[in-house]
Amino acid sequence: GQQVMQIPQYQHVQEGEDFTTYCNSSTTLSNIQWYKQRPGGHPVFLIQLVKSGEVKKQKRLTFQFGEAKKNSSLHITATQTTDVGTYFCAGGTALIFGKGTTLSVSS
Amino acid sequence: DTAVSQTPKYLVTQMGNDKSIKCEQNLGHDTMYWYKQDSKKFLKIMFSYNNKELIINETVPNRFSPKSPDKAHLNLHINSLELGDSAVYFCASSQALGLAFYNEQFFGPGTRLTVL
Repeated sequence: GQQVMQIPQYQHVQEGEDFTTYCNSSTTLSNIQWYKQRPGGHPVFLIQLVKSGEVKKQKRLTFQFGEAKKNSSLHITATQTTDVGTYFCAGGTALIFGKGTTLSVSS
Repeated sequence: DTAVSQTPKYLVTQMGNDKSIKCEQNLGHDTMYWYKQDSKKFLKIMFSYNNKELIINETVPNRFSPKSPDKAHLNLHINSLELGDSAVYFCASSQALGLAFYNEQFFGPGTRLTVL
């Protein structure tokens, strides 16, 4: 069946360093969404990408959708302690979530 | 006002019991979902439901059943609870966009279910 892989599973950075999480699908995706879940919280929608090669920015966050619409990435520039949490990608007609990347940031 | 609310927030029960979790959304969305998040934070969709169609994830045991009294509510009923059902259950809602299966989803705060 359709799978959405996300790497890395965990990432620890020093405050101010950059961070990237990658999402790969076994099949072409019509669109992809990204969510953030703070510790003890619920997933919160960040963005949706629809077009091949699309790039969107939200302040320090940059989201990309691959040309083949089978992969996506989230890049955070100059991480802050407020970026701590688990980042999920989700895609596919069956709404498959990746296993998430848990980001920890030390100051 | 809370957009998507769930009750209870915590639920502790014995194996074999039957329990329900309630979900309400005040966003006027036409589609609601139930997700299970296990201890490893793996988030898996269980059901999606709108006034036309119930889509069930084939891996969900038939002990789980969604019940929707109206468009704003989607409750989750679980029969014969098992240890492996312990998890956090999230309700979510979204507004369907034409042929798109889903749009931005708004999640409830979650219900932590512990089966002893």
